[in-house]
Amino acid sequence: NAGVMQNPRHLVRRRGQEARLRCSPMKGHSHVYWYRQLPEEGLKFMVYLQKENIIDESGMPKERFSAEFPKEGPSILRIQQVVRGDSAAYFCASSPGWTGGAEGYTFGSGTRLTVV
Amino acid sequence: KQEVTQIPAALSVPEGENLVLNCSFTDSAIYNLQWFRQDPGKGLTSLLLIQSSQREQTSGRLNASLDKSSGRSTLYIAASQPGDSATYLCAQRIKAAGNKLTFGGGTRVLVKP
Repeated sequence: NAGVMQNPRHLVRRRGQEARLRCSPMKGHSHVYWYRQLPEEGLKFMVYLQKENIIDESGMPKERFSAEFPKEGPSILRIQQVVRGDSAAYFCASSPGWTGGAEGYTFGSGTRLTVV
Repeated sequence: KQEVTQIPAALSVPEGENLVLNCSFTDSAIYNLQWFRQDPGKGLTSLLLIQSSQREQTSGRLNASLDKSSGRSTLYIAASQPGDSATYLCAQRIKAAGNKLTFGGGTRVLVKP
């Protein structure tokens, strides 16, 4: 079981470029979540997806950020026209479907985005 | 507003001492509470998960308790070792927030040899 796989581990982008972050959930997990950790800050929820559906995007910035979880392939977090304030660690987590509260989250190792 | 608080923000202890890490939450209608460990520059490793119906969970030197009435969870690490140095995060999943986890700010632990 390979766990939650995120790539790339590190990503450097110039201001104005696009950043694409990928996440493959654990085998058997159908729910994917993205969290952002700004330097010296806690983890903040961004978006929750199931296959082909965005369930909750209440933590996503209104502009430049989007996420998808297609029927085939990994979940993608896309940041257009990056700015320095987007520099952060982006973590993906996955969980199985609802089983009454016993299911926990498994996190990936994160993608560290640096905007120069 | 749902809040999760971890105090202290940082803790330094000599090797061998027991660690007590606190997590407070405002919404007692939880599904579960999960403790994680994060090493510098790394991802999160799940340590223990306590379901709403449970009072505690144990794994090796780790024990986590849950008291919904007081809005508290405590993580105990017995006989600390330098390898326990890391940031410890608690996160709760509550009924009002669906499947989201809400994290505390973490406690940064240093175990001195």
